Amino acid sequence: NAGVMQNPRHLVRRRGQEARLRCSPMKGHSHVYWYRQLPEEGLKFMVYLQKENIIDESGMPKERFSAEFPKEGPSILRIQQVVRGDSAAYFCASSPDGPYGYTFGSGTRLTVV
Amino acid sequence: AQSVSQHNHHVILSEAASLELGCNYSYGGTVNLFWYVQYPGQHLQLLLKYFSGDPLVKGIKGFEAEFIKSKFSFNLRKPSVQWSDTAEYFCAVRRNTGFQKLVFGTGTRLLVSP
Repeated sequence: NAGVMQNPRHLVRRRGQEARLRCSPMKGHSHVYWYRQLPEEGLKFMVYLQKENIIDESGMPKERFSAEFPKEGPSILRIQQVVRGDSAAYFCASSPDGPYGYTFGSGTRLTVV
Repeated sequence: AQSVSQHNHHVILSEAASLELGCNYSYGGTVNLFWYVQYPGQHLQLLLKYFSGDPLVKGIKGFEAEFIKSKFSFNLRKPSVQWSDTAEYFCAVRRNTGFQKLVFGTGTRLLVSP
């Protein structure tokens, strides 16, 4: 059973470009969570999705950031018009239904130059 | 809003020393508690978790944690650390109702010198 798969592992974007981060949850997991880890900081919750639904996006910046988890395919975190402050590690986690612990992916390290 | 405090940001120990990392949370309701470890350049791995029952929880790699409800604490312990325990440790809390997002502490960087 493959773990949570994130790609790419490293992504470099110039200011103003778009970044697309992908997350494939573990088989059987229908809950996906995105977290951001800024340098020297802990993980901050961004968004919680179930298939085709955004359940909680209270941690998402109001502009430029969006997330989706379509019926088919991976969850996508999209950052439009990236700025240097978006440079961070973005982690995806998944869980099955119910109060279980998350399984994290290896993360995508976004660098904006 | 709930929050998680990890008071020790950096800890340096020699091998074989005992470890205790503090974690306090602010939410007064029923919670689930977790400790994660992040080795350099890697993703987070679950060390242990508490949902209910015995407040002393055993995890992987010889780690354990004790949930003290009256103190809102969930401290992580290991009797004898190894060089390979050098990593960053994160405490996390999740309310036992509603949406299942985790709230993380800011982490504690542990350096174990050989």
